[in-house]
Amino acid sequence: EIVLTQSPGTLSLSPGERATLSCRASQSVSSTYLAWYQQRPGQAPRLLIHGASSRATGIPDRFSGSGSGTDFTLTISRLEPEDFAVYYCQQYGGSPPLTFGGGTKVEIK
Amino acid sequence: QVQLVESGGSVVQPGGSLRLSCAASGFTFSAYAMHWVRQAPGKGLEWVALMSFDGSTKYYADSLKGRFTISRDNSKNTLYLQMIDLRADDTALFYCARSRNSWYSGMNDAFDIWGQGTMVTVSS
Repeated sequence: EIVLTQSPGTLSLSPGERATLSCRASQSVSSTYLAWYQQRPGQAPRLLIHGASSRATGIPDRFSGSGSGTDFTLTISRLEPEDFAVYYCQQYGGSPPLTFGGGTKVEIK
Repeated sequence: QVQLVESGGSVVQPGGSLRLSCAASGFTFSAYAMHWVRQAPGKGLEWVALMSFDGSTKYYADSLKGRFTISRDNSKNTLYLQMIDLRADDTALFYCARSRNSWYSGMNDAFDIWGQGTMVTVSS
């Protein structure tokens, strides 16, 4: 099973600032099979990024994903008020199980 | 619009059983692989199970140890999760989710549509 470790656990930033979230895998993940999701309080997760760097339909371009191998990054270029949420990375390659990271909470400073 | 609506969650005693349903609308349900994902209160996301678009392939999280069974009825546009021998640590909000690409097994694919979830509480 591929274990995904997200850091930091909590990121305290102000609106307008840049957010950089990390996802590290216990073994190499094909970049084709890495996704990022956003979960706002009381809501279901929403797909932001698939294939490590491809934005899902309707996702603003302030969200970007990068990385390869075991290290992946989600960057939010300028935080909007609605971006304060929990973010999860997910790997979905190879054999099951599909796994999620533990999440990073982006909170208002 | 494209929508998934889960139902069937409730309070159940340890050792009990429950069947969850996920009703799909607004898209060709029979063309998409589907997943169940759960989230314990205040915790992260845990993938539970996957079924391919035609029902020919199923995968489960190892931790379930055969207690959960995923199924689908494409004529009713509905996904199911049968759960038996429920334990306190099964308490969670259960989401169904759609694989992004159609006519695909569901592996190697992100989840683009999620329902709002149905709550399962296992308690005496």
